[in-house]
Amino acid sequence: GAVVSQHPSWVICKSGTSVKIECRSLDFQATTMFWYRQFPKQSLMLMATSNEGSKATYEQGVEKDKFLINHASLTLSTLTVTSAHPEDSSFYICSAGQGWSNQPQHFGDGTRLSIL
Amino acid sequence: QKEVEQNSGPLSVPEGAIASLNCTYSDRGSQSFFWYRQYSGKSPELIMFIYSNGDKEDGRFTAQLNKASQYVSLLIRDSQPSDSATYLCAVAGANNLFFGTGTRLTVIP
Repeated sequence: GAVVSQHPSWVICKSGTSVKIECRSLDFQATTMFWYRQFPKQSLMLMATSNEGSKATYEQGVEKDKFLINHASLTLSTLTVTSAHPEDSSFYICSAGQGWSNQPQHFGDGTRLSIL
Repeated sequence: QKEVEQNSGPLSVPEGAIASLNCTYSDRGSQSFFWYRQYSGKSPELIMFIYSNGDKEDGRFTAQLNKASQYVSLLIRDSQPSDSATYLCAVAGANNLFFGTGTRLTVIP
């Protein structure tokens, strides 16, 4: 149980393109999902907390107009990188938990985004 | 803001040895602790979680928690080359997890 699916796994696109990444909890409902970014050889950085039916909570320094998060259902959250530029190239990972914060979070397989 | 500290390594151990990974945390009220393994280019996967003081064993892995000293550790017995990865310690907050920067483990054949 507790499977989190993330799609696509790899995206290569031109500068200025907007890219949507989907995160789905396959066998459980997740009122909260999390979006992370990880640059090569660096640690996970929490970007935002996605809350079902309400606005996402962004970490300091993360532009909410740049990284649009929609959590329209209990099993789906999307992250859209708008007008992506080469500096947005990174590994984006979502996670979700089955209940309260003391429960483990399970990660999707990640999306490698390369902006040319 | 919770702080979770790990030695970044790299930690190298010979195959068959015990690998010991340590993590300290700043919030004395923390209750839930997790160890994740992350292979290069992959997302983290949960190895173990521990809530109570003492040891918790699962196969070759043992998590140890000492709330009084605010540290949590992960022991890997009979280390295998396939255990070579970055190990992330995480501490639960009110609404999310706080991650350490990870310790890179290399098991030498």
